[in-house]
Amino acid sequence: DIVLTQSPHSLAVSLGERATINCKSSQTVLFSSNNMNYLAWYQQKPGQPPKLLMYWASTRESGVPDRFSGSGSGTEFTLTISSLQAEDVAVYFCQQYYDIPPTFGPGTKLEIK
Amino acid sequence: VELQESGPGLVKSSETLSLTCNVSGGSITTHYWSWIRQSPGRGLEWIGYMWHTGTTNYNPSLKSRVTISVGPSTNQFSLKLTSVTATDTAIYYCARHSYSGNNWFDSWGQGSPVTVSS
Repeated sequence: DIVLTQSPHSLAVSLGERATINCKSSQTVLFSSNNMNYLAWYQQKPGQPPKLLMYWASTRESGVPDRFSGSGSGTEFTLTISSLQAEDVAVYFCQQYYDIPPTFGPGTKLEIK
Repeated sequence: VELQESGPGLVKSSETLSLTCNVSGGSITTHYWSWIRQSPGRGLEWIGYMWHTGTTNYNPSLKSRVTISVGPSTNQFSLKLTSVTATDTAIYYCARHSYSGNNWFDSWGQGSPVTVSS
């Protein structure tokens, strides 16, 4: 299985400041035939299911605010929130769909400083 | 589309866990559908997926114990997990795959908590 690790485990950021979450894969999730990175990001708030934020590493799901952006390629990826809002407090997960089984990172908890 | 899981919240050890996902606002014939579980110890774990024709694919770690199938009613699909132990205690989600058939999940149910008791 492809193992995803995330850093940091938790993060406290002031309102309006930038938050950066990292995801590292145990093997590449870049598919050479189409040059696409098979990585998604999700946001999970307490008591709710995960919500899709991003796929193909950097494509925002419909309705996701543009303060959320994704970057990276191969084995290293980043989710950035450019200006933290109170409603962004959540746990964030990365997920690879390059291989079966799809696997998830352990999550990064984002809080307000 | 809305997804809603249903089933017993408590299952005895060694018995079979059975859950159903009801899909409303869309048809199960247009997407792949998965079961995913989440627990503090194991995080988010993909269990398996199905296509409405009956095609399935399971996580190798669970394959010997899992069955995902269409039904019992229209626009529903089900999960059966046999010989459960305490490590199967989790919140179980049903989820829809992307429109393109890739294995990211764009809609999730609210989750069905299941506890395995001894």
